[in-house]
Amino acid sequence: AQTVTQSQPEMSVQEAETVTLSCTYDTSESDYYLFWYKQPPSRQMILVIRQEAYKQQNATENRFSVNFQKAAKSFSLKISDSQLGDAAMYFCAYNNNNDMRFGAGTRLTVKP
Amino acid sequence: NAGVTQTPKFQVLKTGQSMTLQCAQDMNHEYMSWYRQDPGMGLRLIHYSVGAGITDQGEVPNGYNVSRSTTEDFPLRLLSAAPSQTSVYFCASGVRAYQPQHFGDGTRLSIL
Repeated sequence: AQTVTQSQPEMSVQEAETVTLSCTYDTSESDYYLFWYKQPPSRQMILVIRQEAYKQQNATENRFSVNFQKAAKSFSLKISDSQLGDAAMYFCAYNNNNDMRFGAGTRLTVKP
Repeated sequence: NAGVTQTPKFQVLKTGQSMTLQCAQDMNHEYMSWYRQDPGMGLRLIHYSVGAGITDQGEVPNGYNVSRSTTEDFPLRLLSAAPSQTSVYFCASGVRAYQPQHFGDGTRLSIL
């Protein structure tokens, strides 16, 4: 079964600095999709960024970018110019066919 | 724009009781899914549906039933509640499983 591992239960970053959240996954598939979702204290799940495995180019959404290493099965999220509103739980997720697997999450704290 | 609507937001049950968690979306999405979120474990897929009349099991389906009679609605039924089913439940929808998912606000369910 596919598994998603987030090895950092908690991370902290100073406001305006850059932070990278790690994610690795285990799969024997070659075609799949990867996501990062954000869950603030409101509990709402919000999509941050999405990556198609067949695309070599790393996805970018404003201050958020990923480092997708397919051979290493690694999918890290970089947040640049961190803001107080970035404080949340961040979940890495893997999709193949109709199955979706989430990691256990990383709690990000942003210090003013 | 209602998006994905879950009801109720909170519920307390006694062991052995049954209940239905409601989920409705107004975006004409074909793919809908149910997750449970437990501390330290991220989200786990319970059941999913790729369209009206089609449902399938996810990672943790035992103790839960679903049906999809319309595109809009995807209820989750607990047949005989057990304390192990105490969790926060999320419903989500998307055009396809590999597309960004829209999540409801969640239902916090406690089983005594």
